Amino acid sequence: DAKTTQPTSMDCAEGRAANLPCNHSTISGNEYVYWYRQIHSQGPQYIIHGLKNNETNEMASLIITEDRKSSTLILPHATLRDTAVYYCAASGTYKYIFGTGTRLKVLA
Amino acid sequence: SAVISQKPSRDICQRGTSLTIQCQVDSQVTMMFWYRQQPGQSLTLIATANQGSEATYESGFVIDKFPISRPNLTFSTLTVSNMSPEDSSIYLCSVVDPLAGAGEQYFGPGTRLTVT
Repeated sequence: DAKTTQPTSMDCAEGRAANLPCNHSTISGNEYVYWYRQIHSQGPQYIIHGLKNNETNEMASLIITEDRKSSTLILPHATLRDTAVYYCAASGTYKYIFGTGTRLKVLA
Repeated sequence: SAVISQKPSRDICQRGTSLTIQCQVDSQVTMMFWYRQQPGQSLTLIATANQGSEATYESGFVIDKFPISRPNLTFSTLTVSNMSPEDSSIYLCSVVDPLAGAGEQYFGPGTRLTVT
């Protein structure tokens, strides 16, 4: 499974879009990109995943570059409740190798 | 999505003792996993719990230290044996929901273990 790298922390103003990048330059063709978030040391919560097309659900959008070496999770209108650690993982085998995650702080 | 519960939610244990953590799922699932999250760190996969066979351990984790049982498709246990303060972590189980799409995992709430 490919290794992922993410910025350690980011701030975002409430109501603005939060764009969280993830680098997965060694991703192979059959590996999906998954995003999770963890609030207050609870169990991680699934957000979204994708293979090569951009994806959108009720929580977020996922933009994957054409070469699939990086992706961006977009929270379109961040709220204070979106403050969490966000993890991306690349996997094709159900076994995740989580990166160190990005600590997103949404500011009022 | 599958609903997962863990027991205990937290515990404080003395070094040299063992603790068994239970993971219960509200539906039958094929794949269950156990993770460790040390303080301030990311999640590290310990093992895949296989129903009807021995668990598959990741590098750095061994069965003698972390024995796992998977008696059926809704339940698993992880034992942390002969504990030391370095075992203080949050332990999480996760499942792949067969009704979900492409392998997204759902996590339990975690068991916060402190070893003194």
